[in-house]
Amino acid sequence: GENVEQHPSTLSVQEGDSAVIKCTYSDSASNYFPWYKQELGKGPQLIIDIRSNVGEKKDQRIAVTLNKTAKHFSLHITETQPEDSAVYFCAAVYGGSQGNLIFGKGTKLSVKP
Amino acid sequence: GAVVSQHPSWVICKSGTSVKIECRSLDFQATTMFWYRQFPKQSLMLMATSNEGSKATYEQGVEKDKFLINHASLTLSTLTVTSAHPEDSSFYICSAIALSGVSNQPQHFGDGTRLSIL
Repeated sequence: GENVEQHPSTLSVQEGDSAVIKCTYSDSASNYFPWYKQELGKGPQLIIDIRSNVGEKKDQRIAVTLNKTAKHFSLHITETQPEDSAVYFCAAVYGGSQGNLIFGKGTKLSVKP
Repeated sequence: GAVVSQHPSWVICKSGTSVKIECRSLDFQATTMFWYRQFPKQSLMLMATSNEGSKATYEQGVEKDKFLINHASLTLSTLTVTSAHPEDSSFYICSAIALSGVSNQPQHFGDGTRLSIL
């Protein structure tokens, strides 16, 4: 079945540095890849998403890249701030159906002031 | 926009009772709502998918008689955990996709319900 691998599981950076989280997926039919940020005790919040017809998307300090051939996609956060500290999940739609997502295991990002 | 409200946020109850959790899309109509379960320090596991006016589709291993889902309108879905036991204690999160002609719309999540069964 569909599988999404996410690395690293934990990431600690200094404020102002960049953070990169990488994911791979197995279903070549997947064509939608959202990223979510989850703070403690809250639900996941969509921060950026990318569709398979583009290779890169940027929104201020956040960018996502997609390599469909290699089935890799990555989240890049530049100029990190303490409030970026949270758990980040990548996801991929699977089964060709609209909306059904499979999530990576998450990356706990800690930004040290 | 795209706000999903989940209620209650925290429930503590005795073993054997049934608990109902509500999920509402506040500013959009939702074609599909999803229910997830999340254990501490783990990822989200999909329990079921519900479409308005039809029966929910449950993931393998999820007991449909244990986790009753009702999706009565385009803005409301409910999850009832029947005869809850301590092993049902978890963080339950719903999400919704907006009614749209565009494929691959994002899921918008509620803030979850922490269920503790004593």
